[in-house]
Amino acid sequence: KNEVEQSPQNLTAQEGEFITINCSYSVGISALHWLQQHPGGGIVSLFMLSSGKKKHGRLIATINIQEKHSSLHITASHPRDSAVYICAVESNTGNQFYFGTGTSLTVIP
Amino acid sequence: DGGITQSPKYLFRKEGQNVTLSCEQNLNHDAMYWYRQDPGQGLRLIYYSQIVNDFQKGDIAEGYSVSREKKESFPLTVTSAQKNPTAFYLCASSIIGAGDTQYFGPGTRLTVL
Repeated sequence: KNEVEQSPQNLTAQEGEFITINCSYSVGISALHWLQQHPGGGIVSLFMLSSGKKKHGRLIATINIQEKHSSLHITASHPRDSAVYICAVESNTGNQFYFGTGTSLTVIP
Repeated sequence: DGGITQSPKYLFRKEGQNVTLSCEQNLNHDAMYWYRQDPGQGLRLIYYSQIVNDFQKGDIAEGYSVSREKKESFPLTVTSAQKNPTAFYLCASSIIGAGDTQYFGPGTRLTVL
């Protein structure tokens, strides 16, 4: 069993739709990161969370430490949001990261 | 306030991509250093520079490159040739001839997917 599970694996949405990507983890963590990877491009860190909720533009990330679950929401989705979104958790023992397999998002105009 | 800055605190990259870590100091120090720290290990010297436009290899320079075009800045490039780039990278600076006390930045945690 993977330490980090993401769903869905693939997601296609119409422009303007509200999008949710989920992440569940099984290890104790000091922080959770949401990353964005564009085709052929580098990786951008969108959020680092240890509790609660953060918002940046149309992106919102939430985390529930008790339930070991986080969600990434995109409001009013746009084709430029098309990318792979990766959930990564930083273990609270041993300086280790665990990564989800990523969610491939395609937003159609 | 004087000090050493490294940014970002966390950096993620795809395997096979080069990445450059920044280090800036406004302490007017001549010497700057780059170290790598792996879990359970001490610091290992990658490169150091004692003067602008000059730098020397440390113990584990392979797969890394640096430049020192300005006294204040000593960027480190982790190239795709570095076999195990995931690590915590610390930058430091010192006054040459003042007991070699080094002042450290906050570090950058690089993780390669």
